[in-house]
Amino acid sequence: GAVVSQHPSRVICKSGTSVKIECRSLDFQATTMFWYRQFPKQSLMLMATSNEGSKATYEQGVEKDKFLINHASLTLSTLTVTSAHPEDSSFYICSARVGTGNEKLFFGSGTQLSVL
Amino acid sequence: GESVGLHLPTLSVQEGDNSIINCAYSNSASDYFIWYKQESGKGPQFIIDIRSNMDKRQGQRVTVLLNKTVKHLSLQIAATQPGDSAVYFCAENNFNKFYFGSGTKLNVKP
Repeated sequence: GAVVSQHPSRVICKSGTSVKIECRSLDFQATTMFWYRQFPKQSLMLMATSNEGSKATYEQGVEKDKFLINHASLTLSTLTVTSAHPEDSSFYICSARVGTGNEKLFFGSGTQLSVL
Repeated sequence: GESVGLHLPTLSVQEGDNSIINCAYSNSASDYFIWYKQESGKGPQFIIDIRSNMDKRQGQRVTVLLNKTVKHLSLQIAATQPGDSAVYFCAENNFNKFYFGSGTKLNVKP
């Protein structure tokens, strides 16, 4: 299957700092990538859809100025958590779709963010 | 929209038994569904998918059943093994986005 690489796997930062998470499709081009957030023992919540060459579209309730998404190429999307606070601590997971439309998503290994 | 669960129900089965994990999806317009397996601290792993024009699909040791009338999916795992222990999520495709169900934790007892 297609491989999605996510980095870093774990990050600890101080409150008020910004953290960037990278998501790469290693062996395919991804026009669209998706960012999810997951709290312990809960499901994955879709945060935003990242489209190559255009602005990301955010789900209702997700602050676009807080969670900056950049999809500069067909193989790379980044999520920057700006001015992080302890409540932003969570497991962030990216995914990418091979092709368009109804095709399966492949997921990165996730990033555990801890804000002190 | 998305379905978020606050608590993960747990299914405990004996090794070698069959497991059935259920999922209710939210949007009758969803046309594609996927079951994912997630181990602790990792990203979801694809198991099997099914499109809305099908009622049943079989893979290796797994079967997915789709009942569109009641918006229900099930995942059947044959001869469950300790390595199957994980959290299982169904995901529905709606307007080219995937929304996840609340998940079920599968605990396989040796």
